[in-house]
Amino acid sequence: EDQVTQSPEALRLQEGESSSLNCSYTVSGLRGLFWYRQDPGKGPEFLFTLYSAGEEKEKERLKATLTKKESFLHITAPKPEDSATYLCAVQVGSGNTGKLIFGQGTTLQVKP
Amino acid sequence: ETGVTQSPTHLIKTRGQQVTLRCSSQSGHNTVSWYQQALGQGPQFIFQYYREEENGRGNFPPRFSGLQFPNYSSELNVNALELDDSALYLCASSFTSGETQYFGPGTRLLVL
Repeated sequence: EDQVTQSPEALRLQEGESSSLNCSYTVSGLRGLFWYRQDPGKGPEFLFTLYSAGEEKEKERLKATLTKKESFLHITAPKPEDSATYLCAVQVGSGNTGKLIFGQGTTLQVKP
Repeated sequence: ETGVTQSPTHLIKTRGQQVTLRCSSQSGHNTVSWYQQALGQGPQFIFQYYREEENGRGNFPPRFSGLQFPNYSSELNVNALELDDSALYLCASSFTSGETQYFGPGTRLLVL
């Protein structure tokens, strides 16, 4: 069964304290791995798409990397405005359906 | 460019009632996917519509049904509401099936 697991469930950092969020997956036929940011009560906001092992993407203080079994979201020198839930999702299988399977998310709190 | 919009933002229903949620896709997108997100969980795939046809379905009972219109907007209908249907319902649109999905703000449904 296709599965996505994120760790840790919650992470508290001081402003400027860098860290990484993990997304491990067990799927048949990975077509893409997606990172989203979600603020409380709002819809997920797209951050990155990764397609193959070794690929990296960067945006401001965020950097996403991908291996054959997991992805990391590295946060460098975070600020309080980076506080949110970060969701990882995979798109799997053959055919034309763009179904996403999500992990449960990592809730990040950055204190000033 | 207008993003994905959803209506209503909040809704309260009683058990056994029926509800219709609406979604307008981002300009130029022909695919709409619906997700259910329970509190503290990642979104769960309900179904996807591509060019007015259902294009994949998750593990949801038949009382969850949908529709996509010629302008690619979409509806999610839920019959015989149950307490467990209380959740944030998210709509996402993509340029085509399999491409990056962009989410709307969601509709918060409470079933009493």
